[in-house]
Amino acid sequence: RKEVEQDPGPFNVPEGATVAFNCTYSNSASQSFFWYRQDCRKEPKLLMSVYSSGNEDGRFTAQLNRASQYISLLIRDSKLSDSATYLCVVSGRRNQGGKLIFGQGTELSVKP
Amino acid sequence: GAVVSQHPSWVICKSGTSVKIECRSLDFQATTMFWYRQFPKQSLMLMATSNEGSKATYEQGVEKDKFLINHASLTLSTLTVTSAHPEDSSFYICSALHIPSGYNEQFFGPGTRLTVL
Repeated sequence: RKEVEQDPGPFNVPEGATVAFNCTYSNSASQSFFWYRQDCRKEPKLLMSVYSSGNEDGRFTAQLNRASQYISLLIRDSKLSDSATYLCVVSGRRNQGGKLIFGQGTELSVKP
Repeated sequence: GAVVSQHPSWVICKSGTSVKIECRSLDFQATTMFWYRQFPKQSLMLMATSNEGSKATYEQGVEKDKFLINHASLTLSTLTVTSAHPEDSSFYICSALHIPSGYNEQFFGPGTRLTVL
């Protein structure tokens, strides 16, 4: 079983749609959780850190369920510029020095 | 803040040559940097953790004698791909651990695309 698993993509949605990505992780001792976005042939960029209480940043909402080891990302009113690959990322225990474990990514394509 | 640069952005070299890639944290000090490799249509794979002033920690299956890492200062880590071969062609990305953010976030350099002929 992969340490971090995401919805297989791609997701093709029209502009203005709401889209949700799901992610599960296997290590219950994981400490930190993130969503990154990666555009084609570019480096990953941090989109949001995910906190236990859930957090929202504009059109983006992230949720964490530690009991189910589940992380989600909701994008409302999707824009063409949201087209990218979304990476669910988990960080191990503090004594692992901040090592990140990446999901395989879910590709989103927003169409006019 | 939290900007990471990488140089060069792309390189083409002949088989058998060595290539050095630099990773710099521009506006913060990074005691820990990471080196990743990404093949087309695949996710990032961690190669090694680079710690300032000490030896790098390599992930399983990564040859430390082939991928030399030096982290001589708090703002610079280098990765040298020695005797590069076509199968080493990939997108190499570094990241720096930004502890002041309070959540141990990593910020990535723009990556180096290596093509070995």
